Amino acid sequence: DTGVSQNPRHKITKRGQNVTFRCDPISEHNRLYWYRQTLGQGPEFLTYFQNEAQLEKSRLLSDRFSAERPKGSFSTLEIQRTEQGDSAMYLCASSLQEVPFPFGSGTRLTVV
Amino acid sequence: RKEVEQDPGPFNVPEGATVAFNCTYSNSASQSFFWYRQDCRKEPKLLMSVYSSGNEDGRFTAQLNRASQYISLLIRDSKLSDSATYLCVVAGYSSASKIIFGSGTRLSIRP
Repeated sequence: DTGVSQNPRHKITKRGQNVTFRCDPISEHNRLYWYRQTLGQGPEFLTYFQNEAQLEKSRLLSDRFSAERPKGSFSTLEIQRTEQGDSAMYLCASSLQEVPFPFGSGTRLTVV
Repeated sequence: RKEVEQDPGPFNVPEGATVAFNCTYSNSASQSFFWYRQDCRKEPKLLMSVYSSGNEDGRFTAQLNRASQYISLLIRDSKLSDSATYLCVVAGYSSASKIIFGSGTRLSIRP
């Protein structure tokens, strides 16, 4: 499979725990995006990498969220001290162009 | 006011019908426009770009009206497989954070 891969597909965690998600983009894509989507809403921008540099970060992203893309390859998104409001689908996309496509299948996070 | 607004629907139309959705945007400086399709519990997929001159891809036609700040998507001869949520996307110039997704319009095609 040469598409965007995200792991895990589902994550259930207790409030207050830390979680980390991984995204493996298409290998030649230098752009990588993270989005969050809740039911009935469109994807909401979280952060953007070009190669290994994190160029943009949503002002809505609290300091509990951090993302990395070491060596411009895979990326991780970590949420510390999870809250129930963090429950959502976390989507990753990679691209060569200025539009996020394709997306991975997402990681569905449930905070209980 | 939201930056990108869509009628959430659902639009429930019979197979073979023609259906159209609009999407309005608030930022007149927006540069690029797209339609994505999202099936239930799946990731969004790029359906088509929207050019100033309009864009047609088979049964799908997308148009841009900059003066009134809206884009439209027309689906002709609708198929059962067209049932999905259609997301309007508006992008600013060279800024990932300016790529704004609408909340989507849900379309259901009935036999």
